[in-house]
Amino acid sequence: DTAVSQTPKYLVTQMGNDKSIKCEQNLGHDTMYWYKQDSKKFLKIMFSYNNKELIINETVPNRFSPKSPDKAHLNLHINSLELGDSAVYFCASTPSGGATDTQYFGPGTRLTVL
Amino acid sequence: DAKTTQPNSMESNEEEPVHLPCNHSTISGTDYIHWYRQLPSQGPEYVIHGLTSNVNNRMASLAIAEDRKSSTLILHRATLRDAAVYYCILRRNSGGSNYKLTFGKGTLLTVNP
Repeated sequence: DTAVSQTPKYLVTQMGNDKSIKCEQNLGHDTMYWYKQDSKKFLKIMFSYNNKELIINETVPNRFSPKSPDKAHLNLHINSLELGDSAVYFCASTPSGGATDTQYFGPGTRLTVL
Repeated sequence: DAKTTQPNSMESNEEEPVHLPCNHSTISGTDYIHWYRQLPSQGPEYVIHGLTSNVNNRMASLAIAEDRKSSTLILHRATLRDAAVYYCILRRNSGGSNYKLTFGKGTLLTVNP
């Protein structure tokens, strides 16, 4: 069973389009995250949700809107896609977000904006 | 989060031990030392974490200096599957939830057959 899953794995789209990436975790965790890994391989946190409530928003453009319909899901919707949004997006989850908690990452979604 | 410094890259031979260093001279008393690794084309995965004492698990060992200003991740017998980018991360236990992981550049470990 996959602990943290993301769909789609690959996403190729045109500039200006709107797209969504879905994330689901079956670990019963309370906290979920979105990270972005750019072409230089730097991994940066974008958002964090705890029990469906937004906790961390790391100055991400408001074209990015996370949505958490329940504790097990954290989706990422991106409006008006730009070339600079091309990256690999990772979803992660953790039991409660504490300093000793392990974060479990999904396999990533490679977004290419043409 | 306090800053960590790691070598950009290291090389090892298969079945030999690997010692991956990390400097964290500004670490505070409540910072936990975590190691994650990212295999090619995969998401990061947890390796090990510790606070003050050395730690062992099935994947690796973590040796923490007495002053906690540095630590070393030890892979006892490297395999080709251990080729990855290894990240040393400090996480502060200051109350509240949602401690984010702040990734640096990490160390790219190459394992030669």
